[in-house]
Amino acid sequence: DSGVTQTPKHLITATGQRVTLRCSPRSGDLSVYWYQQSLDQGLQFLIQYYNGEERAKGNILERFSAQQFPDLHSELNLSSLELGDSALYFCASSALGVAGGAKTQYFGPGTRLLVL
Amino acid sequence: AQKITQTQPGMFVQEKEAVTLDCTYDTSDPSYGLFWYKQPSSGEMIFLIYQGSYDQQNATEGRYSLNFQKARKSANLVISASQLGDSAMYFCAMREDFNNDMRFGAGTRLTVKP
Repeated sequence: DSGVTQTPKHLITATGQRVTLRCSPRSGDLSVYWYQQSLDQGLQFLIQYYNGEERAKGNILERFSAQQFPDLHSELNLSSLELGDSALYFCASSALGVAGGAKTQYFGPGTRLLVL
Repeated sequence: AQKITQTQPGMFVQEKEAVTLDCTYDTSDPSYGLFWYKQPSSGEMIFLIYQGSYDQQNATEGRYSLNFQKARKSANLVISASQLGDSAMYFCAMREDFNNDMRFGAGTRLTVKP
């Protein structure tokens, strides 16, 4: 158990809909990262938050947004869903290292999203 | 541009033997971190080992070691004394410190034979 929790575990929805994925980082970790893993695109970094502020942005679509709350949990919002958004969405957390970058990232179990 | 390359889609190793999983990367950032993760069939991502670009020594964590060759931009994972439970997908990843962007390779599927 990594200490990172994600809900829900599975989500089935229809095209055009909007969903929210939730992540609670490990106790004491200030950074939260979101990743998407799909068969055709592999593992892709979406976005990182550190202590409530956006820190880095990867291949995140405009239809997707995220935020980190004062209690450090994070939510990933996916809207106008398309079939191609079906994927495993991971959240990871870390404590930043000396150089400003994390030396480890601990992943949650993921949320499996199926868009029909 | 592809930043992380794992050239071995699949690898087989006999139980108790050592295996090396290849990873090469491309960056112009002098400060970066290299990671290896294991993903069993259950789907979770398990952090294995980290190597910083300024680290002088190769990282080791139990049976895992990272063969870091900076000039060649390679960060191969060595698993010693393979166990059946090591059968999984293995991902190499790099984070460039200037933008915190994290990139993953396509992965290598390791199968340990009894």
